[in-house]
Amino acid sequence: EVQLVESGGGLVKPGSSLKLSCVASGFTFSSYGMHWIRQAPKKGLEWIALIYYDSSNKYYADSVKGRFTISRDNSKNTLYLEMNSLRSEDTAMYYCAKDNIGTTLDYWGQGVMVTVSS
Amino acid sequence: DIQMTQSPSVLSASVGDRVTLNCKASQNINKYLNWYQQKLGEAPKLLIYNTNNLQTGIPSRFSGSGSGTDFTLTISSLQPEDFATYFCFQHNSWLTFGSGTKLEIK
Repeated sequence: EVQLVESGGGLVKPGSSLKLSCVASGFTFSSYGMHWIRQAPKKGLEWIALIYYDSSNKYYADSVKGRFTISRDNSKNTLYLEMNSLRSEDTAMYYCAKDNIGTTLDYWGQGVMVTVSS
Repeated sequence: DIQMTQSPSVLSASVGDRVTLNCKASQNINKYLNWYQQKLGEAPKLLIYNTNNLQTGIPSRFSGSGSGTDFTLTISSLQPEDFATYFCFQHNSWLTFGSGTKLEIK
C-alpha cells in the first residue's frame, strides 16, 4: 500500500524558514517523480513544485520560485521542501504527492499545516 | 496558465441519486483531466485519470467523460461515503486544479 506521510509543519513568523519532509513507503520511491501541492484556508489547490525521480530536474510555481527548494533523498525514501522568506500568503496545508507517467498525481499524503503569522 | 472552472460549487443530493459534476478548461487540454475526491482530514484520492479511466480500486459507479475543454464526473448512484469535495485537475500544460464541488446531503 502506498503511503506518504508529511511532517515538519507549524507556526512561524513572516520571513522565517521551515523544512517539510514526506516519507514514502509501499512503492519504489527512487523510480518516481514527486510533487508538493498546497491549499490555503478556504482556497483551491495550488501545485508548487516537482522533482524528477533522480533529482535531474526541478520545477516551481512562480509564487514560490526563488524562495522554496524541493529535494529528495532516495536512500531515505524522503522528499523535502525547504521554505525560506515565508509570507502570510504561504499559510496552507501542504501535501506531497507521487507522480506517475501519464497519470500524474496518483497518490497523496494527508498533508501538514504551515501557518505564517506574527 | 490554464484556468479550470468547476460547477456547481455546492451540490445537494440524496443517497441513490445520479449526479453530474462539471469541469471546464480555459483552453484545450486534450484528455489530460483527472478527478479527485477529498474528505476532511484525509488525503485526496484519485478517482478518474485522463478523462475516463477508473483508478484501481475505485467503484464502477464513478465515471468520467469529455474532451477538449468540457469534462464531467458522474456518480451513478450516490452512496453515503460519496459525500465529499471533488476537484478536477489538468496535466496537459503544467498543472492546475479546479476550485472544487462540495457534494452534500440534501
